[in-house]
Amino acid sequence: AQSVTQLGSHVSVSEGALVLLRCNYSSSVPPYLFWYVQYPNQGLQLLLKYTSAATLVKGINGFEAEFKKSETSFHLTKPSAHMSDAAEYFCAVSPSGSNYKLTFGKGTLLTVNP
Amino acid sequence: DTAVSQTPKYLVTQMGNDKSIKCEQNLGHDTMYWYKQDSKKFLKIMFSYNNKELIINETVPNRFSPKSPDKAHLNLHINSLELGDSAVYFCASSPSPLQETQYFGPGTRLLVL
Repeated sequence: AQSVTQLGSHVSVSEGALVLLRCNYSSSVPPYLFWYVQYPNQGLQLLLKYTSAATLVKGINGFEAEFKKSETSFHLTKPSAHMSDAAEYFCAVSPSGSNYKLTFGKGTLLTVNP
Repeated sequence: DTAVSQTPKYLVTQMGNDKSIKCEQNLGHDTMYWYKQDSKKFLKIMFSYNNKELIINETVPNRFSPKSPDKAHLNLHINSLELGDSAVYFCASSPSPLQETQYFGPGTRLLVL
């Protein structure tokens, strides 16, 4: 079984500040890990994914995440927040090499202040 | 050239009614999914089909019945709608069940009165 915990349901940053969204996972097998973004009234869009290659993963819009097995974490970062980054962010986990089923965290709402 | 499309976008209906939501993908994918997002934004998988065969069926009331007429379409029929069914329903697709990237539709916002 797998699960995801996103620490902080709401994160607020100033424009230009560092964005850090936290995700910890639990999985009985090596996981695949994902970050999705949901803009208001839209569907989910894949930001980046970890599938057992490089532990530092770069995604779209300047986001990146690092897989840390020892900490069971996959935190999402962006060096400088932009107003357009305001959205809901979901971390998700799936067991590798099996029928694919995404388990999502409860989401973190990112607000960016001018 | 929408990749995953859903109709309708909004659905307002009375308790006890039966309604359907349609999903189509033009990506040539073999696998499609239905997710439910509740009022607290929590996303949970409901069903998955691969080449028209059901492969994932989570603990979902029998009132929900997915149907896949072909691998490009996955529809969701809901009987005897209840207040608790109010949510956003997302369709998604992936190249195969073992392919990790899923592509989501824009969602169908269902409100049961």
